[in-house]
Amino acid sequence: AQTVTQSQPEMSVQEAETVTLSCTYDTSESDYYLFWYKQPPSRQMILVIRQEAYKQQNATENRFSVNFQKAAKSFSLKISDSQLGDAAMYFCAYRSAKSGNTPLVFGKGTRLSVIA
Amino acid sequence: EAGVAQSPRYKIIEKRQSVAFWCNPISGHATLYWYQQILGQGPKLLIQFQNNGVVDDSQLPKDRFSAERLKGVDSTLKIQPAKLEDSAVYLCASSLRRSEERNTIYFGEGSWLTVV
Repeated sequence: AQTVTQSQPEMSVQEAETVTLSCTYDTSESDYYLFWYKQPPSRQMILVIRQEAYKQQNATENRFSVNFQKAAKSFSLKISDSQLGDAAMYFCAYRSAKSGNTPLVFGKGTRLSVIA
Repeated sequence: EAGVAQSPRYKIIEKRQSVAFWCNPISGHATLYWYQQILGQGPKLLIQFQNNGVVDDSQLPKDRFSAERLKGVDSTLKIQPAKLEDSAVYLCASSLRRSEERNTIYFGEGSWLTVV
């Protein structure tokens, strides 16, 4: 079974600075997808960024980018120019690419605080 | 386009009582998921439906939890009798076939359950 580990329960960053959230995963599969979700206090999961394992190029979405290291099974999220609205729980998630719709497997999350 | 709808948003019940949560996925989404998120943890899959059939319910505590998806659209998740440890947010999510929408799983706002 696949597992996702987020080793940083809490992180903080000054407004306008850059922060990196760590994620590692364990799988024996070669084809899969990785995601970062943001969960504000309302508890709705909001997709931040996705990465296909077969792509070597790291995904970017505006101020959000990832460092995907497939051999090391590492998938970190970098938030640049942090804003107060970025404060939330961030979850790393894995999805198998095998046939059929597979569910997401989540890590335990990292709580990000943004300091004005 | 309407998102994943869930109700009720909040529910407080006494232990040993029953509760039911409803989910309406995004129109056309064949796959529906129910996740349980206990405070301080990442979401854990309870059950996955493909149309009106169960794909995976291996982590559903079947002695007290039940779920159905009649007609392959709406779904209900029931807990009877509830225990204190069932206090959590119950997240419903849906998705198209994996080849479409770039593997995105969309989440509802969740139903918060407190068992006292």
